[in-house]
Amino acid sequence: DAGVIQSPRHEVTEMGQEVTLRCKPISGHNSLFWYRQTMMRGLELLIYFNNNVPIDDSGMPEDRFSAKMPNASFSTLKIQPSEPRDSAVYFCASSPTPGGTEAFFGQGTRLTVV
Amino acid sequence: AQSVTQPDIHITVSEGASLELRCNYSYGATPYLFWYVQSPGQGLQLLLKYFSGDTLVQGIKGFEAEFKRSQSSFNLRKPSVHWSDAAEYFCAVGAPSGTYKYIFGTGTRLKVLA
Repeated sequence: DAGVIQSPRHEVTEMGQEVTLRCKPISGHNSLFWYRQTMMRGLELLIYFNNNVPIDDSGMPEDRFSAKMPNASFSTLKIQPSEPRDSAVYFCASSPTPGGTEAFFGQGTRLTVV
Repeated sequence: AQSVTQPDIHITVSEGASLELRCNYSYGATPYLFWYVQSPGQGLQLLLKYFSGDTLVQGIKGFEAEFKRSQSSFNLRKPSVHWSDAAEYFCAVGAPSGTYKYIFGTGTRLKVLA
């Protein structure tokens, strides 16, 4: 199994630009999570999906952030417009079912907004 | 509210010394408990997990953790630390059922002295 695959690994963009982060969960996993990691705030849950449906997006910081999961094998996190304070490492994770097991993490996307 | 507290931000130990990383949680019931490790530039890797049963759980890389319900704690231990254990360690909780999401502590950064 290839694990959770995130792309790109690194992204540098200018303030005001749109940024799209991508995630392919492990095949057969029904739950998908987006986390943001910063020095100041640690690992924050942004949103999680179950069976492609957003269950809890209370962690999404503001309307500039949006996430979609059009099918079981793909999810995107979009920031539009991006701001320097969005600079962080964004992790995607997946798990087989709600409850009963752990989350499997991707390698993360390091986003730098200049 | 659900929360995870890792009171030690940084810990330094000498190679060969024993290690204990603390984790306390606040939750309405006994959650599922996890310890993850993150090496620089990498994603999070699961060290061990507790769902039920024996309160002392063994994980990978020689780590173990003990669940103490009365103290709402799930401390991570290793009898003899290796230089390669230098990393950041995260404690996390997850709900056994219902809306299932993982809540992470702020992490403990471990430094190992040769």
